[in-house]
Parts: sequence; C-alpha cells; structure tokens
Amino acid sequence: KAGVTQTPRYLIKTRGQQVTLSCSPISGHRSVSWYQQTPGQGLQFLFEYFSETQRNKGNFPGRFSGRQFSNSRSEMNVSTLELGDSALYLCASRGTAGTSGNNEQFFGPGTRLTVL
Amino acid sequence: GQQLNQSPQSMFIQEGEDVSMNCTSSSIFNTWLWYKQEPGEGPVLLIALYKAGELTSNGRLTAQFGITRKDSFLNISASIPSDVGIYFCAGQSLGAGSYQLTFGKGTKLSVIP
Repeated sequence: KAGVTQTPRYLIKTRGQQVTLSCSPISGHRSVSWYQQTPGQGLQFLFEYFSETQRNKGNFPGRFSGRQFSNSRSEMNVSTLELGDSALYLCASRGTAGTSGNNEQFFGPGTRLTVL
Repeated sequence: GQQLNQSPQSMFIQEGEDVSMNCTSSSIFNTWLWYKQEPGEGPVLLIALYKAGELTSNGRLTAQFGITRKDSFLNISASIPSDVGIYFCAGQSLGAGSYQLTFGKGTKLSVIP
C-alpha cells in the first residue's frame, strides 16, 4: 500500500506570495491532518479534514487554509507569506473510526517551504 | 493549551547501550504514539498505545502507557547506529468529532559506534 505523498517536496517563495501544497493520503484513509514543523516550535497542528469538512483547527492565523476533495486528497494554502512561515509542512492520514488502527496517524515526507 | 514535556532533549550513547525517554502531560490522553524522524523525512510511527498500563513492544523498542494516562515512556534496547534520529511522543485527546495530536519537542538520539 502506498504511503502518504506530498508535493512538491521543496518550495521557495518570497514574502507576500501565496503557496498551495498538496497531499494524497493512504488509500482508504478519509482523515487528513496538516502540521507545521519548525526548530523553535516543533510540530504544531494546523487542521484536520474528514469527508471534505474541516473538523478541527489549530491556533494559526486565517492566512492558513485548506480543503479536501471527494477522493480525500487535500490541499493547504498559505496566503501573504511571511518569513516566519518557513517550515516543514507535514500531512498525515489515518483510517476511519471502527477500523483497526484508526487512532494511528501516518505522515508524508513533508514539503520544505522557504520564504525569502 | 495542552503541553507535552519530553525528556531528555538529547542523548549521546555508545552502540549497544539501552535508551530510555519519556513524556509527561498535564492532560489525559486516550492514545499515546511514538514516532521517529530522520533528516529530510516525515515522522514514522513506531508504536501506538491505547490502554492505560499497556506495555507494547516492536522489536528492540518497548513503550508503556502510564496508569494515570498522563505519561508514557519509550525504551530502546541494544542501540545500533541506525537508531539515530529524533524521537517524538504524541498524545491524542479525548473528545468526539475531531482528531488532534499534541507532540513533545523530541529527543535527539546520537549513537556512537
């Protein structure tokens, strides 16, 4: 079974631009979560999507948004980029309630975003 | 918000030694997960714990879910060079309708051959 895939793996943008990152979950997984990882703050939860609906959101400004499609693929968007948005953005998927391991979240390799 | 205190922050050990790291929380979790992350990659799930008091092994790795549901530890026996990486604990909160993991800051493990 293929794992979680994320594209692109690396991205360089300048301040003020916007960026869209893509994530394809493990086949059959309907829950997709996004995390930001920085050396100073560690791994921080951005949001979770399930069946195209955002179910939970972390403490990030409105510039960070996301969506999920009917095939469970997800995108996250960051508008008006700031230098502090430079980070590794990780996507993770998990199985649905009632299935074995539905509390186990599996991560993709991440997208390394650099804002200049 | 919830916080996880993970210790130690870093460890330098000789190959063959055993390693122990732990996480404590001020909040109760209903699931504890342990991940390993290597440079340039996403975290890889090592062990998942679902019940208070549960002790689970995965090869040379052993993890336990604390009785109070507020702590967990991970042991690595007979360390080898490929154990190098950053180990994260993560807790999943009680509550219906949403799923969110809270992560510790990580334990950076270095193994000296």
